[in-house]
Parts: sequence; C-alpha cells; structure tokens
Amino acid sequence: DTGVSQNPRHKITKRGQNVTFRCDPISEHNRLYWYRQTLGQGPEFLTYFQNEAQLEKSRLLSDRFSAERPKGSFSTLEIQRTEQGDSAMYLCASSQTGDNEKLFFGSGTQLSVL
Amino acid sequence: AQSVTQLGSHVSVSEGALVLLRCNYSSSVPPYLFWYVQYPNQGLQLLLKYTSAATLVKGINGFEAEFKKSETSFHLTKPSAHMSDAAEYFCAVSPDQKLTFGTGTRLTIIP
Repeated sequence: DTGVSQNPRHKITKRGQNVTFRCDPISEHNRLYWYRQTLGQGPEFLTYFQNEAQLEKSRLLSDRFSAERPKGSFSTLEIQRTEQGDSAMYLCASSQTGDNEKLFFGSGTQLSVL
Repeated sequence: AQSVTQLGSHVSVSEGALVLLRCNYSSSVPPYLFWYVQYPNQGLQLLLKYTSAATLVKGINGFEAEFKKSETSFHLTKPSAHMSDAAEYFCAVSPDQKLTFGTGTRLTIIP
C-alpha cells in the first residue's frame, strides 16, 4: 500500500475557472476527509465521508465547493468559479473504522488562483 | 467546542538539546489529543495520541507527551533533538469523528 495519494500536486488557475482534485485513500479505509491549510495555519476541516455517504460539511465549505465519493473509494473535490481566497493546500486523509482518529494524510494539492 | 492552542509559532533548539513544544486544550469533556508532524513536501504524520489510557504517551522518533488535566496541557517533548526533527508540529483534538488542529509550531534545529 502506497498510502493516500492526491492529484495533482500543484494547480494554478485563473479566477473564475473550475478545478477538480482527486484523492485515493488507503484501500481498506472507509472514512475519507478533506481539509484545507493556508500558510501559517493548521489544517481546517472541510468535509468527510463514511464509504460513499458524505456525513458532514463544514460551514467553511461554500456552495462553490462540492465533494463526491461515488463508489466509496476515491474522492473528488471540485471548486467552481474559483476566487483568490481559495488559494490553499487541500489535504485528503483516510482512516479505518474503529480507529477514526488516526488519520493518514496525503501530500496535498497546492492550489494557486491568479 | 473543543480546541487547542499552540504556544510559539517558531521554536529553535540546538542539536542534542531538549525539545519542548507546548499545547493547551479547551474541552469540557476528556478529550482525545494528538500530535502530528509535517515534513517539507510531505503529508501530516501521526506522532502520538492520547486516549485516556495513560497520561504519558510515547510516540515515534523518541517523542512523548504528557496529559495534565490540571493544566489542560499536552506538551510534546524529546530529550535530545536531532537534525531530522526539523519540521512543523501540530497539536490536535478530536471532538467528534474529526480532528481540530492548532496553528502549528515550526521547529528549527541549530547544528
């Protein structure tokens, strides 16, 4: 197992464009989380899935953000009509039932909105 | 709501010296507490976690943390710093199936 994989590593886009990120969790993990991290801050929770069900969304997640996990495996995070304030590192993590607090993180996708 | 506060955004120690990174929590119930480390260009990695089984928790790479309810603290220590310990360290609390992180402490090791 190679751990949590995120693609792309870096994304540069122009304001107003849509972007999509992908996360492949550790295969036997049924929980998948998305976090956002800006410079000088700790990761902030965005949303999480139990299998294919999205169980919670943070109030940080505006209507322009949507996340899916269609088959309970990989997940995508889409940001529509990007704004400069969306520039951040987007982190994905996964965990196993019974040990939900032990999260395994990917290396993240760094988004820059110009 | 449960939260953590990390005192000191930057800490510098000499190689071989004691490492002490501070974390205080705010919680009305016994919390689950964690320390994660983030090396440059890598994902966050769990160092250790406290789940009420023992107040002194040992983690990877020689780190340990002590839960002190009277001080609402969960400070991270390592007796002797190594150059490879240079990284960003995050304290976190788990209120309900997810983690809430502190703002992080960047540890620099002076040769």
